Amino acid sequence: DGGITQSPKYLFRKEGQNVTLSCEQNLNHDAMYWYRQDPGQGLRLIYYSQIVNDFQKGDIAEGYSVSREKKESFPLTVTSAQKNPTAFYLCASSFSRGTGETQYFGPGTRLLVL
Amino acid sequence: KNEVEQSPQNLTAQEGEFITINCSYSVGISALHWLQQHPGGGIVSLFMLSSGKKKHGRLIATINIQEKHSSLHITASHPRDSAVYICAVTRLPKLIFGTGTRLQVFP
Repeated sequence: DGGITQSPKYLFRKEGQNVTLSCEQNLNHDAMYWYRQDPGQGLRLIYYSQIVNDFQKGDIAEGYSVSREKKESFPLTVTSAQKNPTAFYLCASSFSRGTGETQYFGPGTRLLVL
Repeated sequence: KNEVEQSPQNLTAQEGEFITINCSYSVGISALHWLQQHPGGGIVSLFMLSSGKKKHGRLIATINIQEKHSSLHITASHPRDSAVYICAVTRLPKLIFGTGTRLQVFP
């Protein structure tokens, strides 16, 4: 089955700790995205990548880092610099970043701070 | 003011009712998307449209580019339609999302 997987489903972070959220897709999509969802707000773009070894900051990149070493994988690290990391994180992919591309979403990771 | 506004924020209905969710946007766009988010959090893309009307089963999406407005209709609503419905617009290089409409359909 083709799709996007995210792990873990729940993640707990201690103060000062870096944590990494996994996102893998087997759809052969070039573009991948990370979004953050907070209650009462629309999804906000953290980072996106159009092609392997290239990525761009979104609207709220501070305190986050990403890598794109393989087409299938786009992990997100929430660093200790992100002071309010508690949120629901969604990964998505699309065939390209052409006009109006449909994005396919993973099931999400809920990050909680201990 | 948000660039993408949805109404209503919350909606309750009895099974079988006709549902309409509205989306207005204030920026130029290349496409508009309707998404469905279930209680577990996963998001499914329902429609992508840049003009006119699309239909899939009991769901119908329309867009009026001149008025910068789109509607999502659900005919013969069912409790399994209960979810958050999200409108998003493509304004390259990104998508801009509305805050969603929470729909609950009771038997």
